[in-house]
Amino acid sequence: EPEVTQTPSHQVTQMGQEVILRCVPISNHLYFYWYRQILGQKVEFLVSFYNNEISEKSEIFDDQFSVERPDGSNFTLKIRSTKLEDSAMYFCASRSDINRGYTFGSGTRLTVV
Amino acid sequence: QKEVEQDPGPLSVPEGAIVSLNCTYSNSAFQYFMWYRQYSRKGPELLMYTYSSGNKEDGRFTAQVDKSSKYISLFIRDSQPSDSATYLCAMSDSWGKLQFGAGTQVVVTP
Repeated sequence: EPEVTQTPSHQVTQMGQEVILRCVPISNHLYFYWYRQILGQKVEFLVSFYNNEISEKSEIFDDQFSVERPDGSNFTLKIRSTKLEDSAMYFCASRSDINRGYTFGSGTRLTVV
Repeated sequence: QKEVEQDPGPLSVPEGAIVSLNCTYSNSAFQYFMWYRQYSRKGPELLMYTYSSGNKEDGRFTAQVDKSSKYISLFIRDSQPSDSATYLCAMSDSWGKLQFGAGTQVVVTP
């Protein structure tokens, strides 16, 4: 069964450093998303991406965050200057159309120290 | 009022019992309803997807949506210890963002 692949599975970074989280969505999917889950809390929406541009973003997704689909297969989330409160599981998701559910990746656990 | 409410549990049932999970929501614009299973420190795994009101069955899983009451349910028949996980409801008013419930932790005891 097709999967959404995320790398790395775990990243530890110093506060203030930049991190890039990588995702390979399912190949025929058109809609891409990033969500995050702080330990013990709900899964929260960050951003949606369609047709090579951001279609919606949450208030969490401020100027520190950016997304890119650099080569038609990878989908990346960049955090420019990490804060302690950015520590969370980050999930990439994709879907083929509005009549399908979202497929999530296994996540990247980001720890900011 | 939270947009999506879900009892966090834990919900403990004996093996073979029916697990009954539910969520309520406040946004009448939600049309797409999903149930996900999440194991500890893993990504959510899609179990059921429903558009608008009605019932949907897939193997041991049945999802129900009652838009008039803003209430959705998931039933798991013949529960197994491997069904022990956190179950998340999620919903959307478009192809955009999902709103998740807090998740219900389910423990199926042998």
